[in-house]
Amino acid sequence: AQKVTQAQTEISVVEKEDVTLDCVYETRDTTYYLFWYKQPPSGELVFLIRRNSFDEQNEISGRYSWNFQKSTSSFNFTITASQVVDSAVYFCALSEARYGGATNKLIFGTGTLLAVQP
Amino acid sequence: GAVVSQHPSRVICKSGTSVKIECRSLDFQATTMFWYRQFPKQSLMLMATSNEGSKATYEQGVEKDKFLINHASLTLSTLTVTSAHPEDSSFYICSASLRNEKLFFGSGTQLSVL
Repeated sequence: AQKVTQAQTEISVVEKEDVTLDCVYETRDTTYYLFWYKQPPSGELVFLIRRNSFDEQNEISGRYSWNFQKSTSSFNFTITASQVVDSAVYFCALSEARYGGATNKLIFGTGTLLAVQP
Repeated sequence: GAVVSQHPSRVICKSGTSVKIECRSLDFQATTMFWYRQFPKQSLMLMATSNEGSKATYEQGVEKDKFLINHASLTLSTLTVTSAHPEDSSFYICSASLRNEKLFFGSGTQLSVL
């Protein structure tokens, strides 16, 4: 069965600190996709990244970076120089990959509430 | 980018009434839409997968007679919570698939049943 674990329920940091959100997943599929979403207090889900299982290159996008380690089944997310606007719940998610694309049926982790204090 | 519109954003209703939530893909055709439910401070749980022109596929434990899903067109899926009760109070959010590659989420509907 597929499962996503986000062990950190809440993290509180002070602005400008770096913070890493952990994500560990379980799947028997050899091809799958991993996602990170941000959910601000307003509730909508904001897409941050999608990574397929064959691409283990780390990715950097501005202050965001992701570390995909297949050997440890982890897909961790780091925010550098955090800002108050980064305060939100962050979800890691997993989906199977069928027919050459993502099925988009996502299995979500329980989320990590990040609070960035000014 | 692609946008998924969901409304209403918030609804309060009396116990026993039915509530309809709409999910529209605004600038693309979505062959598949998904409905999730999120209880306070919990994760999103998939309720059902909705395919245009066919019956929805429900996840285990989700009552299909309680949560009616209709996907009559490539841009619209609706979720009707029938005879709502307080335990149905939750945040419901839809997502739509673009060419089975990208997934876009609506802004969610907060349902409160009194």
